[in-house]
Amino acid sequence: QSALTQPPSASGSPGQSVTISCTGTSSDIGGYNYVSWYQHYPGKAPRLLIYAVNVRSSGVPDRFSGSKSGNTASLNVSGLQAEDEGHYYCCSYGGRSVPRLFGGGTKLTVL
Amino acid sequence: EVKLVASGGGIVQPGGSLRLSCAASGFGFSSFTMNWVRQAPGKGLEWIAYITGAGTTTYYAASVQGRFTISRDNVNSTVYLQMDSLRLEDTAVYFCARGRSAAADDFWGQGIQVTVSS
Repeated sequence: QSALTQPPSASGSPGQSVTISCTGTSSDIGGYNYVSWYQHYPGKAPRLLIYAVNVRSSGVPDRFSGSKSGNTASLNVSGLQAEDEGHYYCCSYGGRSVPRLFGGGTKLTVL
Repeated sequence: EVKLVASGGGIVQPGGSLRLSCAASGFGFSSFTMNWVRQAPGKGLEWIAYITGAGTTTYYAASVQGRFTISRDNVNSTVYLQMDSLRLEDTAVYFCARGRSAAADDFWGQGIQVTVSS
């Protein structure tokens, strides 16, 4: 299976909202409600933000939300803050022998 | 507190071998699946290996199938990644991660550098 497709970059001003898309196929995103999103800063461990499409992980502010429609999942970040700047990765279950399938990542810039 | 501490990285020649370890603490290790994920320089995250809590089932990405082996020691709460026939393109930071329900990984190790170079 190929990696999920994410835009390489996204940006917004402080206080604004931004949405990052993640496109897969009916064999991964479209076939299961097992989409997760991770925030990653260089040199750090990735942080789980969202799992099961729209469930926030413990301690994640409600500015972060997830959704899915067909083969495309989305991460919305509202009320952008400077510390939101970083890389964001989507991930989907791709079937029993492909338990994790990552997107290429999106670099979020807060202008 | 959940902790995952990786070790065993370093520099190795093409064709060589390396074994990574990830020592877990702060949770019931045998109840959780574990994954290895890597990030090559300038690239995104790539899942490479998965193992069930009992260690009876494993899956691999096509890029490492037949060369890498994931295993675990539930007595010592450690997951391993044996990497053989290493290639230049295996150069990356390697992360171990704890799997939770819904095919997500809720705790990650700090990452360890593996460099394959002649």
